[in-house]
Order: sequence, then C-alpha cells, then structure tokens
Amino acid sequence: EDQVTQSPEALRLQEGESSSLNCSYTVSGLRGLFWYRQDPGKGPEFLFTLYSAGEEKEKERLKATLTKKESFLHITAPKPEDSATYLCAVQGGGATNKLIFGTGTLLAVQP
Amino acid sequence: DTEVTQTPKHLVMGMTNKKSLKCEQHMGHRAMYWYKQKAKKPPELMFVYSYEKLSINESVPSRFSPECPNSSLLNLHLHALQPEDSALYLCASSQVTGGNTIYFGEGSWLTVV
Repeated sequence: EDQVTQSPEALRLQEGESSSLNCSYTVSGLRGLFWYRQDPGKGPEFLFTLYSAGEEKEKERLKATLTKKESFLHITAPKPEDSATYLCAVQGGGATNKLIFGTGTLLAVQP
Repeated sequence: DTEVTQTPKHLVMGMTNKKSLKCEQHMGHRAMYWYKQKAKKPPELMFVYSYEKLSINESVPSRFSPECPNSSLLNLHLHALQPEDSALYLCASSQVTGGNTIYFGEGSWLTVV
C-alpha cells in the first residue's frame, strides 16, 4: 500500500536557524513527489515536483532533494514568513492521478 | 499563471439547504479534482474528472454531487449535509497525464449548521 510519513510533526526554529524536513515514502512506481506549502485557512501552494532519485530543486531559501525512499526539504536561514505547514505527497503508478499525502510538518520560525 | 479560482470563499448552510461550490481554471488542464480537508489533516480526494468525465469517486456520499460543465469549470452541489461535513473544500487541476503537478485553489470554507 502506498504510504507517506512526514517528520517531525512540528518544528520551531529561530530566524536564521537552518533545518530539514523529512518525507519517507513507499509507493509502487513513483511518478512524482510533490512538496506544497499551506498557510492556515488557505489551499496548498505548489513548491516542487521531483521525479527521480538524485534530483534536486531550489527556490529562494528552500531546496528539495529525493532518494529512492525519502525526500528532504532543506530550509536555509529561514524567516518568520516561512512559517506554514509543509505537505509532501506522492503519485504512484496506476490509472489515476491520486496524490497520497503525508500529515505535514508545521513549521514556526520565530524572529 | 497557475490559478484555480473557487467561489464562495465561505459558506454557511443549514442541513436542509441546497448550495453549490464553484471552481474555474484557465490553464488548459483537462483533469479537475475535489478534495476535502479537515483541520490539522491532509487533503482527502473526493472526485476526479478527466476530459469532463467523472473518472474517480472515492465512495463519497450522494449528498455531494459533482458536475463538470466544460473543461474550465467544476461544480460541487451540496444537499442535506451533516455538521460533520463542515470542512475546507479544495478544487484542483492538472494535465491528465500522470506525474504532472496538481494545482490547488484557495478553497471554500463550508460550515453546516
């Protein structure tokens, strides 16, 4: 059964304190791994799509990496505006485009 | 421009009411989705439309009725809902081919009283 586990559930950082969020997955035939940011009361905002092990993508203070079993979202020198819930999702093989979501990591960055 | 627009942003309805949620995208996507999200939980898939045809219904109760009038529009008709149906309802769209990014709208907050 396809499964996604994110850790930690919550993370509190000081402004400028770099860290990483983890997304472990088991899926039959990975077609894509997706990272989203979600602010309270709003829809998920797309950040990155990764397709194969070894792939990396960057956007401002965020960098996403992918191995055959997990993905990391590295946050370098975070700012308070980076505070949000970060969701990881995978899309496996099969006839549908169904996303399997993890439960998210709630990030709080304190000034 | 990756934009999925949902209306209304907030909706309060009684258990005997009939209401609709609306969604529009102009990215040329031919797959559209409805998700439901409860507080502190990830989104849960409800329905998938591919080329304006319903392709997936995740065993959703019949009090939720989806409709895809054309390739840009997606509706969710609501009737005889229960208080436990209160949630954030998210519309999303993507290319039909697997592996493409699914883009979400801002959501419609539904409260059933």
